[in-house]
Amino acid sequence: DTEVTQTPKHLVMGMTNKKSLKCEQHMGHRAMYWYKQKAKKPPELMFVYSYEKLSINESVPSRFSPECPNSSLLNLHLHALQPEDSALYLCASSLTGTGKEKLFFGSGTQLSVL
Amino acid sequence: GNSVTQMEGPVTLSEEAFLTINCTYTATGYPSLFWYVQYPGEGLQLLLKATKADDKGSNKGFEATYRKETTSFHLEKGSVQVSDSAVYFCALNYNFNKFYFGSGTKLNVKP
Repeated sequence: DTEVTQTPKHLVMGMTNKKSLKCEQHMGHRAMYWYKQKAKKPPELMFVYSYEKLSINESVPSRFSPECPNSSLLNLHLHALQPEDSALYLCASSLTGTGKEKLFFGSGTQLSVL
Repeated sequence: GNSVTQMEGPVTLSEEAFLTINCTYTATGYPSLFWYVQYPGEGLQLLLKATKADDKGSNKGFEATYRKETTSFHLEKGSVQVSDSAVYFCALNYNFNKFYFGSGTKLNVKP
């Protein structure tokens, strides 16, 4: 199994809603990532978990809250989002996160905030 | 700092034409270099990589050579197909867990 699975594929939410994005991999990877990608732009790193511990937070607003319950799962909890948060949210994983490794990406969740 | 610069697109080619997408980088130390491809509505897929100077990455007819002297990692393919139409991202990985992506180059291949 060489896949990173993200659910849901599409999500529409209001600014007062609370929702969660989910990501799962069964490759034994110990580093997992959240990226945000606006249309026609490159992915921007949001968070990195390494061995289930948050290792990088790229100054992301607190309305985004990551969680890594175990080595296979990564969640992104969303609350009180703004319309400008509408984007494709990509999860990725890599073997150890210790550098020079390739990333495996999921297909993403297309989020629309109304 | 670390950064990646790609040629702006879109690049429009006819089927079987030769493709070059330029990529140059700035990095302290010796990064690994990657090309990722993104098809519409999907995540990024690794196309090829090179981990040290003079390495050549290749996959599916695409090639790129890590040139330390020119700090470049240009993507080439001898004969493109319509199915190659996608957005191509050059990236470097240097400092644990952190990838730096270029702005992406959209390729349109016409039959």
